[in-house]
Amino acid sequence: GENVEQHPSTLSVQEGDSAVIKCTYSDSASNYFPWYKQELGKRPQLIIDIRSNVGEKKDQRIAVTLNKTAKHFSLHITETQPEDSAVYFCAANAGGTSYGKLTFGQGTILTVHP
Amino acid sequence: DSGVTQTPKHLITATGQRVTLRCSPRSGDLSVYWYQQSLDQGLQFLIQYYNGEERAKGNILERFSAQQFPDLHSELNLSSLELGDSALYFCASNAGDNQPQHFGDGTRLSIL
Repeated sequence: GENVEQHPSTLSVQEGDSAVIKCTYSDSASNYFPWYKQELGKRPQLIIDIRSNVGEKKDQRIAVTLNKTAKHFSLHITETQPEDSAVYFCAANAGGTSYGKLTFGQGTILTVHP
Repeated sequence: DSGVTQTPKHLITATGQRVTLRCSPRSGDLSVYWYQQSLDQGLQFLIQYYNGEERAKGNILERFSAQQFPDLHSELNLSSLELGDSALYFCASNAGDNQPQHFGDGTRLSIL
């Protein structure tokens, strides 16, 4: 089945710096890659997603890049703010007949220091 | 507010007991997904239902079962509970395969 590896497990940056989180996946049939932000004690919230027919997608300070050949995708947050502090999860769907199930990475704890 | 409703928010029970978690998907969404989140295992996919039918299964224990009803709400039943079942259980819904999944606020299950 699909395996998703996420790095780093923790990331500490100063306010205004950029943050990059990287994920690799194993199933070459995966074609949908969402990113979720989870604040302590709250539900995962979708912040951006990308499909395999696109190499990059941006939404204000957040961008995601996808390299299908290398089977990795990355989240880029620019001009970080303290409210960006949270756990970030990448995910990949399963190819074949497994439909929409998502396999999640282990998460990255992002801390933005004022 | 994601539009996905989960009840109850918290459940405290003892080993060996059985509980039922409930999820109402967003209006119009036909798919419901159940995930378990524990500290050591992260977010793990349990099971998916689409319009009342089981669609995909993950690492769901035999002690766990789920169903989706004609009104599209879903229930996750956990039986013969063990200490290790303590976790956050999330439900998510979407309109179709590979559409964004939106999560409910979760049910925190504590086994004493």
